[in-house]
Amino acid sequence: EAGVTQFPSHSVIEKGQTVTLRCDPISGHDNLYWYRRVMGKEIKFLLHFVKESKQDESGMPNNRFLAERTGGTYSTLKVQPAELEDSGVYFCASSQTLGTGTTTEAFFGQGTRLTVV
Amino acid sequence: AQTVTQSQPEMSVQEAETVTLSCTYDTSESDYYLFWYKQPPSRQMILVIRQEAYKQQNATENRFSVNFQKAAKSFSLKISDSQLGDAAMYFCAYRSAKEYGNKLVFGAGTILRVKS
Repeated sequence: EAGVTQFPSHSVIEKGQTVTLRCDPISGHDNLYWYRRVMGKEIKFLLHFVKESKQDESGMPNNRFLAERTGGTYSTLKVQPAELEDSGVYFCASSQTLGTGTTTEAFFGQGTRLTVV
Repeated sequence: AQTVTQSQPEMSVQEAETVTLSCTYDTSESDYYLFWYKQPPSRQMILVIRQEAYKQQNATENRFSVNFQKAAKSFSLKISDSQLGDAAMYFCAYRSAKEYGNKLVFGAGTILRVKS
């Protein structure tokens, strides 16, 4: 079974440009999460999708970040325009809702390292 | 808001020895989950061990065990018989039992180096 996959693995862009990160969750996982780790700091929650709906987007830093999950499968996270402080590693994770109303553990991708210069 | 603190940016251990990684957290909730995740270089982060706060017994997974001190809000990870493959970044994480899903609060991580 394929795990959570993220594209690209690395991206270097100039300040002011646009970048789109993609996450393919594990097949059948209805929950999808985005997290971000700025160099040397904690991994911080950005948002949580349940299928195509945003369950919680309390961690999104500002309106330059747009996350979508059309059709409830893969998700994209677009940063437009990128700023220097957006540099970091962006992680995606997925989990599956169980019949009990709880979810499985979160399975993570290897992350996308974004560098804004 | 909950916070998780890992006070050791880096740790080293000799192969076959035991090492303990520290984690403290702050919460006003009584029901929650705690996790240790491992991220090897350039690879996916994987769950090492999980502890439910309502369980007094410390979780164990093969060579990995935790020392969960609820009153002290401490959750350390002990790795016994360390192996070269244990070298990785280790993250401690908290999850509220009240919230749906896997909204995790992470610490800053500890780099573990294993010397042969």
